[in-house]
Amino acid sequence: DAGVIQSPRHEVTEMGQEVTLRCKPISGHNSLFWYRQTMMRGLELLIYFNNNVPIDDSGMPEDRFSAKMPNASFSTLKIQPSEPRDSAVYFCASSLGVGVNTEAFFGQGTRLTVV
Amino acid sequence: SQELEQSPQSLIVQEGKNLTINCTSSKTLYGLYWYKQKYGEGLIFLMMLQKGGEEKSHEKITAKLDEKKQQSSLHITASQPSHAGIYLCGALGDSGYALNFGKGTSLLVTP
Repeated sequence: DAGVIQSPRHEVTEMGQEVTLRCKPISGHNSLFWYRQTMMRGLELLIYFNNNVPIDDSGMPEDRFSAKMPNASFSTLKIQPSEPRDSAVYFCASSLGVGVNTEAFFGQGTRLTVV
Repeated sequence: SQELEQSPQSLIVQEGKNLTINCTSSKTLYGLYWYKQKYGEGLIFLMMLQKGGEEKSHEKITAKLDEKKQQSSLHITASQPSHAGIYLCGALGDSGYALNFGKGTSLLVTP
């Protein structure tokens, strides 16, 4: 398996523009997570999907952020409108199940810069 | 909520030296994960510890979880440039399904 695939790897956009980040989880994994990494706050969980259903979106910063998982092999994280403070590395991770003894596999991340 | 404190924040060691990174939790750990992140890349799983007193090794990296299950250490023996990166400890949060992470320890190994 190619692992968790994220695209694009890098995104530079102007403030106010819409940004869409994409993720393809590992085939067969039923749990998907979106994280955001910044120097100040480290890795923060944004949203968790189980079997394509959003279970916990309490980490989504505000209404400008939305995430979807239309099927088991694809998820998107959208920011509209984007702001400079959204600049960060966004990671997608997937796992087979959740809980102790479950390993989460991370994608390479999307480095977002909003200017 | 559970907080994970890592120390030190950054470390520069000479190749061949040993080093230790610590991770301390504000709550009892029911699964402590160590990941490594190469600069500009994703997280790679290293080890998971579950039981108090447990110790696991992979090549030259050894991780331990203390008996009280509130502190873990990662020890690298005879460090090499390939060990450079950011080491993150993670633990299941109160939700039981997602990992909370420490802020990471940045390691640089000099020749």
